[in-house]
Amino acid sequence: DIQMTQSPSTLSASVGDRVTITCRASQSISSWLAWYQQKPGKAPKLLIYKASSLESGVPSRFSGSGSGTEFTLTISSLQPDDFATYYCQQYNSYPVDFGQGTKLEIK
Amino acid sequence: QITLKESGPTLVKPTQTLTLTCTFSGFSLSTSGVGVGWIRQPPGKALEWLALIYWDDDKRYSPSLKSRLTITKDTSKNQVVLTMTNMDPVDTATYYCARNGRDSSGYYDYWGQGTLVTVSS
Repeated sequence: DIQMTQSPSTLSASVGDRVTITCRASQSISSWLAWYQQKPGKAPKLLIYKASSLESGVPSRFSGSGSGTEFTLTISSLQPDDFATYYCQQYNSYPVDFGQGTKLEIK
Repeated sequence: QITLKESGPTLVKPTQTLTLTCTFSGFSLSTSGVGVGWIRQPPGKALEWLALIYWDDDKRYSPSLKSRLTITKDTSKNQVVLTMTNMDPVDTATYYCARNGRDSSGYYDYWGQGTLVTVSS
């Protein structure tokens, strides 16, 4: 099975900052990676699929990059609404797997 | 408009069987490439993928839970049902159903609101 590891687990940042979250796969997953945003008490929301494709309706300040085993989610200029927990997910093969999450906190 | 909604018991006793129903609208599970999956999240913890059923009745399960899970669909009712046997307190979690992405991709583009299931005697 492919395991996903995110870093950092927690990230403190301020409005306007540029932030990057990293996700590593235990083996190559090509570009079969998605990113989700989750707010407390809510379902995850799809942000990025196929490593760098922006889901419809998602602000352009979100971007994804990477292939193989290392991937990043970048938020170019943090907005108040962006403070949440972010998860990566590999879907190269079953069982699909989610990372352990990165909590983005207000500094 | 695509929606999914989970329903089922909020409280189950240890050793009991959990049955959850996902009722959806705005898409059909008879359309090629479409699938509906289940994902759970224990309180304060990460997401855990459980199972998926495709339009052609192909099914996939988490290896660690495969012996306890069954996923079925009723296309005429727009429903997917997940059963989990031998429930334990560690199975306490919010259970989500979600539609898989376009072209049978394994990511999830639409999610239900989730239902919290507590396992306790």
